[in-house]
This record gives sequence, structure tokens and C-alpha cells, in this order.
Amino acid sequence: DSGVTQTPKHLITATGQRVTLRCSPRSGDLSVYWYQQSLDQGLQFLIQYYNGEERAKGNILERFSAQQFPDLHSELNLSSLELGDSALYFCASSVGPGTDSYEQYFGPGTRLTVT
Amino acid sequence: AQSVAQPEDQVNVAEGNPLTVKCTYSVSGNPYLFWYVQYPNRGLQFLLKYITGDNLVKGSYGFEAEFNKSQTSFHLKKPSALVSDSALYFCAVRDMITGGFKTIFGAGTRLFVKA
Repeated sequence: DSGVTQTPKHLITATGQRVTLRCSPRSGDLSVYWYQQSLDQGLQFLIQYYNGEERAKGNILERFSAQQFPDLHSELNLSSLELGDSALYFCASSVGPGTDSYEQYFGPGTRLTVT
Repeated sequence: AQSVAQPEDQVNVAEGNPLTVKCTYSVSGNPYLFWYVQYPNRGLQFLLKYITGDNLVKGSYGFEAEFNKSQTSFHLKKPSALVSDSALYFCAVRDMITGGFKTIFGAGTRLFVKA
């Protein structure tokens, strides 16, 4: 158990809908990262937050947004969902701001299925 | 931009034999390199990292990796494979992007250890 929790584990929704994925980092970790894992794209970095502020952005679509709250948990919002958004979404956390050598600890993921 | 390549989609090895999972990288400056493992229906788990110092890095579960600057490689090794080592292995490198850093993951190598 990495200490990173994600809810829900599974999510099935229809195209055009909006969903929110939630992540709680390990105790003491200030950075939260979001990744998308799909068969065709592999593991793609979406976005990182450090202590409540956006730190780095990857291949995140404009339909997607995220935030990190004062208690350090984070939410990833996916809107106007398309079939191609079906994937595993991982949250990871680390101690530092990302400008360092700390490894990341991954949650179990949320499997999103868009029908 | 930095990148990592895992040239083998799959590696098959018999239990008790040594295993190697290959990774090559392309970076400007000093590389920060990582190995992660993903078991079925689980998030990624950190195995080991190379930041600086000794070229042979020891990690979790008996794994080690050898950093070779001249060959730009960071191969994962284990002297004696176990059936329970069967999983998906990812090599990763830290990349600098606007505003911060992100971790780039390779496509992954699936390891099958046969009893």
C-alpha cells in the first residue's frame, strides 16, 4: 500500500458527461501528479500541483482541469467526455516540488469507462 | 526534450535465471532515472533511482540497475528471477518543462517469469 488513495475505483459514464476523480496524497507529501494510462498512449503525464499551486502541465486537454485543496487532496475534473477518454487515471504524490530527485508514489487508479 | 526507450515489449525468463529489462535514455545534462513496476490492477510502485554516484543502484525486491553513461543505458537486472516478478516494468526520466519538471515514462516492458 503506497499511502495514496483514489476514489472511485471504477466509473462508468456516458459521452458528454462530466466526472470528478479524487486523490489523497501520502501523509507529508506536498506534490500531487495526475497521469492517464491507456493502451495506445501509454502512461501520460497530465498535470502537477505543489502545495496548492499548479506546478507543471503535460498533455492535459482543455476539457480537463484539476486543483489541489488546502488539505492537499486533489481532484481531476473531466468534462464533455468522449469515448477516447476511457482509461486508467492515476494520481501520484511526492515530498518535493518536482524540481528534485524524489520518487513518486502511485495510487491504485480510477478506471474510467465512457460509453 | 528528454526521452526513454524500452526496446523490448516483452521479456521471457525462466524462474531462477537472471533477468535484464533494457532502457536507454536521451537527456541533456545529468539524468535522473527511475524504474517502476506495475502489477495487474495496481498502481506503479517505485523500485529504484539513479541520481548521482555509484553506477550500480540497488532497489526493492532484489532488483538493481546499472547506469552506463557512454551507452546511455539504465538496464534493470535481477540475479535470480521469481514467478512473482512477472509484471509490467517502466523506465522513467525526469524532464524539464516550462515552469518545472515532469517524469517521462517509457512504453513499458512486460516480464514473464515461467516456473
